[in-house]
Amino acid sequence: NAGVTQTPKFQVLKTGQSMTLQCAQDMNHEYMSWYRQDPGMGLRLIHYSVGAGITDQGEVPNGYNVSRSTTEDFPLRLLSAAPSQTSVYFCASSYTREQYGSYEQYFGPGTRLTVT
Amino acid sequence: AQSVTQPDIHITVSEGASLELRCNYSYGATPYLFWYVQSPGQGLQLLLKYFSGDTLVQGIKGFEAEFKRSQSSFNLRKPSVHWSDAAEYFCAVGADQAGTALIFGKGTTLSVSS
Repeated sequence: NAGVTQTPKFQVLKTGQSMTLQCAQDMNHEYMSWYRQDPGMGLRLIHYSVGAGITDQGEVPNGYNVSRSTTEDFPLRLLSAAPSQTSVYFCASSYTREQYGSYEQYFGPGTRLTVT
Repeated sequence: AQSVTQPDIHITVSEGASLELRCNYSYGATPYLFWYVQSPGQGLQLLLKYFSGDTLVQGIKGFEAEFKRSQSSFNLRKPSVHWSDAAEYFCAVGADQAGTALIFGKGTTLSVSS
């Protein structure tokens, strides 16, 4: 298994540009989520999904869109990038507590995004 | 709303000394609690998790954590720190009972002095 993969690893955008951060998992996990990590702020939840076709907002959703058309993929879209979105972005997936009595999030390696 | 507080932003410990990193949570129901570690420039690695049962949880790399419901705490401990333990440590609570996502604390950076 490749686990959780993210592309690209690094990206530089100009203010106002759009882009999509890709996330894929091959573990057949139902749950997927996106976090951003900023110095001194820990990881903050952006959006999450409990299955194909179902998404919901996390702590800091403004400026980001998501969709989940398949179990494997959960892309994060920035429609009009702003300098405040400069961050490291982590995607994660998880099996459900119903399945195994517990759960844990498996994290991808991250995408470092700079908006100038 | 759920929240996690890590009171210590930065801690320095001598190599071989014991370590305790503090974590306090706010959650209405039974919390599911986690500790992750992140080395510089790396991703996140799960150290241990608590769901139920024994309140003292053993993890990888010699770490353990104790869940204390009365104090809303889940402190991470290690009896003897190694230089390779220098990293950032994050405590997290499950955002809900099902496991959809996590709410993280802001992290504690551990430095190890020789």
